[in-house]
Amino acid sequence: QQQVKQSPQSLIVQKGGISIINCAYENTAFDYFPWYQQFPGKGPALLIAIRPDVSEKKEGRFTISFNKSAKQFSLHIMDSQPGDSATYFCAATGWTSGSRLTFGEGTQLTVNP
Amino acid sequence: DAGVIQSPRHEVTEMGQEVTLRCKPISGHNSLFWYRQTMMRGLELLIYFNNNVPIDDSGMPEDRFSAKMPNASFSTLKIQPSEPRDSAVYFCASRPGTASSYNEQFFGPGTRLTVL
Repeated sequence: QQQVKQSPQSLIVQKGGISIINCAYENTAFDYFPWYQQFPGKGPALLIAIRPDVSEKKEGRFTISFNKSAKQFSLHIMDSQPGDSATYFCAATGWTSGSRLTFGEGTQLTVNP
Repeated sequence: DAGVIQSPRHEVTEMGQEVTLRCKPISGHNSLFWYRQTMMRGLELLIYFNNNVPIDDSGMPEDRFSAKMPNASFSTLKIQPSEPRDSAVYFCASRPGTASSYNEQFFGPGTRLTVL
């Protein structure tokens, strides 16, 4: 029940295109859903996060869409750039899980110039 | 702000040797997390501390692993004896204690451990 399933495992997008990464969770007690971005040789860094009281959150070219009833959330990267090439992890947590983050498997995004 | 500091950045050791990884969290953060990242299992939480006290160590793989946090500015993860399957990147992360940013974890650059 603590799992977070992420897809696709890898994604190749042309510059200017839209990148979409999907995640699904099982634990209905989760109440915080962050996305982390990781570049090679670096630690993951918080990119954007959402709480289940809203269905969408946008920060620049990055948007999280949240579907509470389906227990799914997704990351959309508009106007994808080569500099966005990285590994993206969705995660979920909540007070009942001690605020420990449960991470998805990761998506390796490549944006071709 | 220097961010989370980890040392060493790379460690190569032989099977059976003791390995100690070190972490300095961001000043003022009151929670600290140790993660392990591998291709097979992704990011796994090993243990986390709140106000220097271990809260959840259920992710520690076995007794060969131990972690300490003697004060708010330092933590260690020790593997004794090390085995080739321990080869991974180990991350330390810290988190502030304010309610508005309770869930934001800040990761260090990681220590790449290779056990031969």
